[in-house]
Amino acid sequence: SQQGEEDPQALSIQEGENATMNCSYKTSINNLQWYRQNSGRGLVHLILIRSNEREKHSGRLRVTLDTSKKSSSLLITASRAADTASYFCATPPFNSGGYQKVTFGTGTKLQVIP
Amino acid sequence: DAGVIQSPRHEVTEMGQEVTLRCKPISGHDYLFWYRQTMMRGLELLIYFNNNVPIDDSGMPEDRFSAKMPNASFSTLKIQPSEPRDSAVYFCASSQGGSHEQYFGPGTRLTVT
Repeated sequence: SQQGEEDPQALSIQEGENATMNCSYKTSINNLQWYRQNSGRGLVHLILIRSNEREKHSGRLRVTLDTSKKSSSLLITASRAADTASYFCATPPFNSGGYQKVTFGTGTKLQVIP
Repeated sequence: DAGVIQSPRHEVTEMGQEVTLRCKPISGHDYLFWYRQTMMRGLELLIYFNNNVPIDDSGMPEDRFSAKMPNASFSTLKIQPSEPRDSAVYFCASSQGGSHEQYFGPGTRLTVT
């Protein structure tokens, strides 16, 4: 079944540094989404990149998508302590009949040390 | 908009009891999802609805779990009888379109003793 997997599983950096996390998936996708989850809270949508896009920016976030390698990366520039959270990718499958089961990866736990 | 609303936020119950979790999606959203999150298994999709109709319940772990969506603004997830291994955080999410971004509620932390 379709599944995104993030790596690394955990990442610890100093405040001000950049953080990069990756997502790999298995089959054709409609789009790829990144979410953030702060401890004890629900997931919050960060950014969506469509399958025909290669790069997208939103504030300090930069997402790339390589459909030939079935992978995506999320870059957080100039990290802040408030960026400490788990980050998940989600991959809705290519729409081939209306079946839209979105699966989430296992997440990257990011710790930004002040 | 108030976002996705879930209740209760915390539930502690004894094994064998019935548990009902509630969700109010964002108005206008046509998809509703129920997830379960644990340290061991991560975030699991239990069931999702499109226009109030259950589309895929293959993630529901056992017959003890059931979900309903009687109208566009309300859904329930019921566990009966509950077991200690059901302890987890249960999230409800909604979206406009199945492949679009999902909006999550704050979750219900369930503890079954």
